[in-house]
Amino acid sequence: QQQVKQSPQSLIVQKGGISIINCAYENTAFDYFPWYQQFPGKGPALLIAIRPDVSEKKEGRFTISFNKSAKQFSLHIMDSQPGDSATYFCAARTLNDYKLSFGAGTTVTVRA
Amino acid sequence: DTEVTQTPKHLVMGMTNKKSLKCEQHMGHRAMYWYKQKAKKPPELMFVYSYEKLSINESVPSRFSPECPNSSLLNLHLHALQPEDSALYLCASSQDWGRGTEAFFGQGTRLTVV
Repeated sequence: QQQVKQSPQSLIVQKGGISIINCAYENTAFDYFPWYQQFPGKGPALLIAIRPDVSEKKEGRFTISFNKSAKQFSLHIMDSQPGDSATYFCAARTLNDYKLSFGAGTTVTVRA
Repeated sequence: DTEVTQTPKHLVMGMTNKKSLKCEQHMGHRAMYWYKQKAKKPPELMFVYSYEKLSINESVPSRFSPECPNSSLLNLHLHALQPEDSALYLCASSQDWGRGTEAFFGQGTRLTVV
């Protein structure tokens, strides 16, 4: 049973466009929400993370929006570049747990 | 240094072989993890070591045997694997558990069982 639902499965965006990936969760005990970026043949790399006491966090062209009441969070990639083409995973974890619950992943393709 | 180093990068082994995957980190992290990742799927947790003690075993078959010789090293011993065990095996580490503790992943070992 997947605890974090991620959509879409894949998306194609033109260079300079905005990529939006959405995640939803059920477990209200989740306290930490990271996003990972993974290139083919490589391990996931932490991109940005948010805690539920913050509604938005921005790092460069990457922004997480968090809606605690709706139990949803999303990643926005502004001014998307071909180098952003990768698979993105959202994840969630409770405060006192090691285990990350991952979304199914979104493959982003940025066309030049 | 925010690196988790895994060796080897690629491994092909027969079903009767015994091999080991190695993972090393020098960030002073006290939690280390093994994940398995199949193509186009998210990583699946296998084992967690906390302060060099096995903390979580996600019902992994005994043909996978983890070992944590010290706080910087993590091994995964493989024996009598099946072709369906072919996957990317990822090691990760974090300071411990707790609020905002990020997990850093290695590059993975691409394992093929023939």
